[in-house]
Amino acid sequence: EDKVVQSPLSLVVHEGDTVTLNCSYEVTNFRSLLWYKQEKKAPTFLFMLTSSGIEKKSGRLSSILDKKELFSILNITATQTGDSAVYLCAVSRTSGSRLTFGEGTQLTVNP
Amino acid sequence: EPEVTQTPSHQVTQMGQEVILRCVPISNHLYFYWYRQILGQKVEFLVSFYNNEISEKSEIFDDQFSVERPDGSNFTLKIRSTKLEDSAMYFCASRGTSGRVYEQYFGPGTRLTVT
Repeated sequence: EDKVVQSPLSLVVHEGDTVTLNCSYEVTNFRSLLWYKQEKKAPTFLFMLTSSGIEKKSGRLSSILDKKELFSILNITATQTGDSAVYLCAVSRTSGSRLTFGEGTQLTVNP
Repeated sequence: EPEVTQTPSHQVTQMGQEVILRCVPISNHLYFYWYRQILGQKVEFLVSFYNNEISEKSEIFDDQFSVERPDGSNFTLKIRSTKLEDSAMYFCASRGTSGRVYEQYFGPGTRLTVT
């Protein structure tokens, strides 16, 4: 059974701080790892990673994958209150395309 | 930017009733999914659909569930006889077949409350 574990489950920081969110996985025939941001409702797509060591970047957010150690990190620099959300990590296999999600990290950024 | 839409945003139904949740995937996408999220729990895969048939389903997706693409734009999830434990947020997602092929985009969800 595929498994995705995120840590920490909850994180409270002040505006301007840098945060690192972790995601480790066990999946048969790994294809990709995806990060989503979930505010009130729908998960919003952030990144998809398929290759080790290649950083994906979008503004203050960046992510990298290590396929040897089976984990990914999501970094957010200079956090803002609008970054407050649950950040979800999910993996997919080469066979089929279902996503298996982790529990998420609840990030709270205080002013 | 194109997006997945879902209706209704909230549905309240009595136990034993049938419900149909509706989704309009992104227009050039050909793979469609339903996921659910029980309050406080993980997002869970239910079913994937491609070329007018189910391509994969989870153990949650039993005989009380069915999916359909009744026309060129809508994708529906039917729950035949709802149970209290079906109360959850149901998300539809879609992905394309070219370019960013494996990125799934989610709709805003339908909150289903079974009383």
